[in-house]
Amino acid sequence: AQSVTQLDSQVPVFEEAPVELRCNYSSSVSVYLFWYVQYPNQGLQLLLKYLSGSTLVKGINGFEAEFNKSQTSFHLRKPSVHISDTAEYFCASGGSNYKLTFGKGTLLTVNP
Amino acid sequence: EAGVTQFPSHSVIEKGQTVTLRCDPISGHDNLYWYRRVMGKEIKFLLHFVKESKQDESGMPNNRFLAERTGGTYSTLKVQPAELEDSGVYFCASSQLTGSSYNSPLHFGNGTRLTVT
Repeated sequence: AQSVTQLDSQVPVFEEAPVELRCNYSSSVSVYLFWYVQYPNQGLQLLLKYLSGSTLVKGINGFEAEFNKSQTSFHLRKPSVHISDTAEYFCASGGSNYKLTFGKGTLLTVNP
Repeated sequence: EAGVTQFPSHSVIEKGQTVTLRCDPISGHDNLYWYRRVMGKEIKFLLHFVKESKQDESGMPNNRFLAERTGGTYSTLKVQPAELEDSGVYFCASSQLTGSSYNSPLHFGNGTRLTVT
């Protein structure tokens, strides 16, 4: 069975600082990895996904993530965050179709 | 295009009552998924429809939960009778049916927040 671990439940940062949200996965089969973001009172939006190919994946809003098979990680990064990036971020893995396994989420709070 | 729409946005019911959640997927999306997030825990898969057929219902917690998608359009998720542990946010999502699963993005609704008291 797949599992996804998000190591930090909350990450506070100051505006314009870099941020890394950590995600580790476990799977014995080919894995597809995703990062979703949920803004208050909204549904989940896809930030980026890794299916195959280049291990560095670029997404929307300046976010990127690196797939590291040896460390079974898929950490999300942004070099400079804005107040508007305050949201909850979810890492997820999928084996087939969109039957996704999610992590518990990381609440990113960007302070002025 | 209109997004995935869920009704109601909030529902507060008493233990033992029945509640029906509705999801209208994006028009033309044959794949429809239900997920649930119980307070403080992960978002968990409940089930997957392809058109009107249940493709995978392995995540349904127990037989108090009944999902339908008559005609392959909107879907309902009924909880009868509701228990305290059913409280959480129920998400619906939809995607197009394509040859490769992840070619079509998954669109989520805003969720229904269910509180059972």
